[in-house]
Amino acid sequence: SQQGEEDPQALSIQEGENATMNCSYKTSINNLQWYRQNSGRGLVHLILIRSNEREKHSGRLRVTLDTSKKSSSLLITASRAADTASYFCATVDYNQGGKLIFGQGTELSVKP
Amino acid sequence: EAGVAQSPRYKIIEKRQSVAFWCNPISGHATLYWYQQILGQGPKLLIQFQNNGVVDDSQLPKDRFSAERLKGVDSTLKIQPAKLEDSAVYLCASSLDTGTAYEQYFGPGTRLTVT
Repeated sequence: SQQGEEDPQALSIQEGENATMNCSYKTSINNLQWYRQNSGRGLVHLILIRSNEREKHSGRLRVTLDTSKKSSSLLITASRAADTASYFCATVDYNQGGKLIFGQGTELSVKP
Repeated sequence: EAGVAQSPRYKIIEKRQSVAFWCNPISGHATLYWYQQILGQGPKLLIQFQNNGVVDDSQLPKDRFSAERLKGVDSTLKIQPAKLEDSAVYLCASSLDTGTAYEQYFGPGTRLTVT
């Protein structure tokens, strides 16, 4: 079953702009991960944030987590055409065996 | 380092036919996963192996799907007989060990079309 719901479903921006994607989930989690998927490189792990963390950075990526609201956001700064892809959040709940449960994804299009 | 290999990349079959997918994980990775990704959705875990033992197959439709990982390395996923709703991309992933401390590495997937 799907856990996360991503918002928006699709996002179109110009190169250089920032892109923000949101993820909401329903159950308790141990950590939340973000993945990118495009036709060229398949599904790639971007960043993991633990339930006791509020914010994490990796290069141009910034992830926040609010466990009280059961939500997370992924910010991509200074976007590039190469960032065009689908972005998925995936939650992990050790009470469910620790497996990844993916959301439906946000389709990001960055226009040059 | 070679990534996760999958074959075939594409497969078209008629409903009620059988199909098999093959996955070769990254060398040394003990844990192997099969996911089903229907168009417009995120991947859904079908089965997880630790070496050659099954850890989780709770979402595998066992009346038609089967998977094995003989010798704890390569794995095959079979569908018999296929239904129209099985049209999807089947992703294989591997990680060093079980647990989310270990990053999962995904293969390119096999796109299955059932007509």
